[in-house]
Amino acid sequence: DVKVTQSSRYLVKRTGEKVFLECVQDMDHENMFWYRQDPGLGLRLIYFSYDVKMKEKGDIPEGYSVSREKKERFSLILESASTNQTSMYLCASSLASILRTDTQYFGPGTRLTVL
Amino acid sequence: DAKTTQPPSMDCAEGRAANLPCNHSTISGNEYVYWYRQIHSQGPQYIIHGLKNNETNEMASLIITEDRKSSTLILPHATLRDTAVYYCIARYNQGGKLIFGQGTELSVKP
Repeated sequence: DVKVTQSSRYLVKRTGEKVFLECVQDMDHENMFWYRQDPGLGLRLIYFSYDVKMKEKGDIPEGYSVSREKKERFSLILESASTNQTSMYLCASSLASILRTDTQYFGPGTRLTVL
Repeated sequence: DAKTTQPPSMDCAEGRAANLPCNHSTISGNEYVYWYRQIHSQGPQYIIHGLKNNETNEMASLIITEDRKSSTLILPHATLRDTAVYYCIARYNQGGKLIFGQGTELSVKP
């Protein structure tokens, strides 16, 4: 079974703090994604990565950065947390699409509250 | 990705089959039908996917009509733990973002 883990299930931070969200997958997947999920807005893609040290902006990258130093780990960084970044953050991974499968497997999510 | 339409909510009795419909009338020949579910406050969980043929795995069965304009996800013996929002997605296998629609909120009742 594919396992995607996230460093925290719940996190409370203060405005202006630097926040690190870690995601690790154990299936040697090339692709990794960070989404946020808010009521009424569905899933929105923040950043994704197709390979180590490679990153691409998603739909809402402002206020976030990412790091992928190892294939299994994809980190999301909130440089200076703000209250509008209070959300559920979801990490996902998938095999490269050239292998004709595009199933994304999700972690349990991190519910971040910024006060 | 093609637009999908699902009923907003459904009820099912525990132990009975849950049949969740999805319309995707504009689906193209190369788009797969994927199903995910999300239990409250958890990450989405992949269930099953298919292109043309019916598919079955340990979680569910997927029935795709011959014209591919609609499909049905079948949970053969629903349990209370199957209570979740179920999302049907039509997409190309090209590694891009997932777009969840509104989904169907399935309530399994004792």
